[in-house]
Amino acid sequence: DGGITQSPKYLFRKEGQNVTLSCEQNLNHDAMYWYRQDPGQGLRLIYYSQIVNDFQKGDIAEGYSVSREKKESFPLTVTSAQKNPTAFYLCASGQGAKDSPLHFGNGTRLTVT
Amino acid sequence: SQQGEEDPQALSIQEGENATMNCSYKTSINNLQWYRQNSGRGLVHLILIRSNEREKHSGRLRVTLDTSKKSSSLLITASRAADTASYFCATAAYSGAGSYQLTFGKGTKLSVIP
Repeated sequence: DGGITQSPKYLFRKEGQNVTLSCEQNLNHDAMYWYRQDPGQGLRLIYYSQIVNDFQKGDIAEGYSVSREKKESFPLTVTSAQKNPTAFYLCASGQGAKDSPLHFGNGTRLTVT
Repeated sequence: SQQGEEDPQALSIQEGENATMNCSYKTSINNLQWYRQNSGRGLVHLILIRSNEREKHSGRLRVTLDTSKKSSSLLITASRAADTASYFCATAAYSGAGSYQLTFGKGTKLSVIP
């Protein structure tokens, strides 16, 4: 079955540590996205990539980094510079066209204490 | 920045009733999409309506778009307990360099009581 896999589902880290969230898709989509969701809030765009080896900052990129070395993979690193990292992180992919919908993974819930 | 704003924030109805959710946005868009999210899960795309369309149907879903008022509504007819979820509108707008960005609202939490 085609889809997007995010792992792990739950992640716990101590403050000051970097952590990498995994996102893999087998939908052959060119574009991939990372969103952050906080309770009672909508989704906010962190980074997006429309092609391999290229990515752009979204609205809240500070404290995060990404790479896009393969079409299928778009890992997100939450660095110690991110002030409030505890959140639900969602990865999505799409064909990159203006009227193509996004396909989402089931998210990673990160808790930093 | 969040473009779409859903209304109401929460809605509770009895099974079999219709549910209507509204979305307002601020700038011109290429299309508007509705997504559904079950608790603790990812979003699932429901329906897309282009800026030159006024109404669209998909099964029990009906979406309208009024670009003059910058608003959209999602109607779910004959609701079921399984429709309980959060519903988000997302607006697609040109962001430069040939790319379009999707901006999500804060969502409407729908509870359908059996």
